[in-house]
Amino acid sequence: DIQMTQSPSSLSASVGDRVTITCRASQSISTYLNWYQQKPGKVPELLIYGVSGLPSGVPSRFSGSGTGTEFTLTISSLQPEDSATYYCQQGYTTEWTFGQGTKVEIK
Amino acid sequence: EVQLVQSGVEVKKPGESLKISCKGSGFAFSTQWIGWVRQMPGRGLEWIGIIYSGDSGTRYSPSFEGQVTFSVDRSINTAYLQWSSLKASDSGIYYCARQTPYGSGNYRAFAPWGQGTLVVVSS
Repeated sequence: DIQMTQSPSSLSASVGDRVTITCRASQSISTYLNWYQQKPGKVPELLIYGVSGLPSGVPSRFSGSGTGTEFTLTISSLQPEDSATYYCQQGYTTEWTFGQGTKVEIK
Repeated sequence: EVQLVQSGVEVKKPGESLKISCKGSGFAFSTQWIGWVRQMPGRGLEWIGIIYSGDSGTRYSPSFEGQVTFSVDRSINTAYLQWSSLKASDSGIYYCARQTPYGSGNYRAFAPWGQGTLVVVSS
């Protein structure tokens, strides 16, 4: 199975900061990479599909890039409501796998 | 509105059986892939597997193969996750989610998610 590794595991940043989270796959997954946001005590929500696609309603400060085995999620200007745990997930194989999550806290 | 509504909190003893449900609305449930995800207390998301409501075809994570069983009842737009003999380590929140196509169908992702079912297994 494909392993997904995120870094860092957690970070603390100030409102307005640019934040970047990295996700690495143990083998190439082309562009079959999704990101989810889970706020404390809430249900996960889709944030980005196919590396860089934004579903309707997702703010444009969120963006994604990458291909193959290395991917990034960027928040261009961190907002208080972005305090959450972010998960990458590969959909390249029939058996999907998630990264371990990156917790983003606001200073 | 596309929605998945899951059954409520379950408190069980080790060795007991359990079946939790996930009812879909607002979309053509009979031709969808529905996935299941576990989140143990304070931990991350784990992909359990998926079931196709059209023919009940299934894919299980090797970590969960043989431990759980998926099923669907198309007549009531409901998917199920069941255990025949629970263990304490099965405790957690279980989410169902629709595997939705995006990007002209080139990509698939879980959206929306059900609200989650908390399963507590304790003697």
